Amino acid sequence: QVTLKESGPVLVRPTETLTLTCTVSGFSLTTSRMGVSWIRQPPGKALEWLAHIFSNGETSSTTSLRSRLTISRDTSRSQVVLTLTNVDPVDTATYYCARTQFDYGESWFDPWGQGVLVTVSS
Amino acid sequence: DIQLTQSPSSLYASVGDRVTMTCRASRGISTFLNWYQQKPGKAPSVVVYAASVLQDGVPSRFSGRGSGTDFTLTIDSLQREDFATYYCHQSYSTPRTFGQGTKVEFK
Repeated sequence: QVTLKESGPVLVRPTETLTLTCTVSGFSLTTSRMGVSWIRQPPGKALEWLAHIFSNGETSSTTSLRSRLTISRDTSRSQVVLTLTNVDPVDTATYYCARTQFDYGESWFDPWGQGVLVTVSS
Repeated sequence: DIQLTQSPSSLYASVGDRVTMTCRASRGISTFLNWYQQKPGKAPSVVVYAASVLQDGVPSRFSGRGSGTDFTLTIDSLQREDFATYYCHQSYSTPRTFGQGTKVEFK
C-alpha cells in the first residue's frame, strides 16, 4: 500500500523558513516513472502546485516561488523535503505531498498525503 | 503559464442527476488533463487522468472527454458520495496548474 505523510510545524513566524517533510512508504523514490510533488491549498481556495522531484533527482518548481523554494530528498529515509524561505501570511495553507505518476508523457498525482495546515502569523 | 478555467464554479444537483462540468485551457494541451475530487477536510484524489482514463476503483458513472483546449467531466446518475469539489489539472507543461474548481452541491 502506497502512503505519504507530511510533517512539520503548524505555526511559523513571518520571515522565518518553513521546512516540511514528506515520508513515503510502499514505493521507492528512485522508481522510474514516479516522483513526488508538493501542492498547497490556502483555506477556502484552489490548489497550487509548488514543486516536484523526479526519480533521477531532477527537480522542478513553480516560477512565482522559485527564489524561495527548494525541494530535496533523502532516499535512504524515503523522505522528500520542501523548504520555503521568508514566509509571509499569504503562505498560510494546507500543504500536501503526492506521488507523481508518469506514463507516456502524461503525469498525475496519486495518492496524496493527508496534508498539514501551516499558519504563518506573528 | 497555462491557465485552466473551470465552469461553472458551482452547480446544484440532486441524486440521480447527470452533471457535466467543463475545463478550458488557455492553449492546447493535447490530453494532458486530469480531474480530482476533493471532499471537505480531505485530500484530493484522482478521478480521471490523461483526459479520459478512469482511475482504478472509480465508479464507471464518471467519464472524462476532450483534447486540445476543451475538456469535460461527466457524472451519470449522481450519488450522495459524489457531492464534492472537482479540480482539473494540466500536466502538459511546467508549472503545473489547476483550475479554480467546480463545487457540486445539493439542490
